[in-house]
Amino acid sequence: AQSVTQLGSHVSVSEGALVLLRCNYSSSVPPYLFWYVQYPNQGLQLLLKYTTGATLVKGINGFEAEFKKSETSFHLTKPSAHMSDAAEYFCAVSESGATNKLIFGTGTLLAVQP
Amino acid sequence: GAVVSQHPSRVICKSGTSVKIECRSLDFQATTMFWYRQFPKQSLMLMATSNEGSKATYEQGVEKDKFLINHASLTLSTLTVTSAHPEDSSFYICSARLLGASYGYTFGSGTRLTVV
Repeated sequence: AQSVTQLGSHVSVSEGALVLLRCNYSSSVPPYLFWYVQYPNQGLQLLLKYTTGATLVKGINGFEAEFKKSETSFHLTKPSAHMSDAAEYFCAVSESGATNKLIFGTGTLLAVQP
Repeated sequence: GAVVSQHPSRVICKSGTSVKIECRSLDFQATTMFWYRQFPKQSLMLMATSNEGSKATYEQGVEKDKFLINHASLTLSTLTVTSAHPEDSSFYICSARLLGASYGYTFGSGTRLTVV
């Protein structure tokens, strides 16, 4: 069965500092991996996704993530945090093929300090 | 593109009444819709998967008679919370699966349900 682990339910960084949000997954087949951002009382916005091809994926708002199969990881990074990045971030995995359910990690709340 | 419109955004209802939440795909056909529930400061829990024209598939522990899902057309899926109780108060979010080159999932903006 698929699962997603996000290490660190709360991460706090200073404005301008590196953002690193960790995600590890387990899947019996090649996974599709996603990062979403959620602002309070809103739906989810896709930041980036990995399906096939290049393992370093660039997304919106300066975020990127690297799929590392050997480490079963898909960590999200941003070189310089902005105040507007403060939000909840979810890593998610779906299996390729017919199943296609999207399974979420527990989320990481990112705080950005001035 | 690929927008899912979810309504209402907020609803307050009395215990024992039913509430319907709608999700419409505005510029594409959604053959598969997912319904999630999110408790405060928690992750999204998948409730059910609905495919157009067929019965929804519910996750273990989700009462199908309480959470009625209808996906009668390629652009509309509804979730009806029947005989609502305060413990049903939550944030409900729908999601549509996108196929092809745009493979992924697009989400509605969510519905905050409060049962009093």
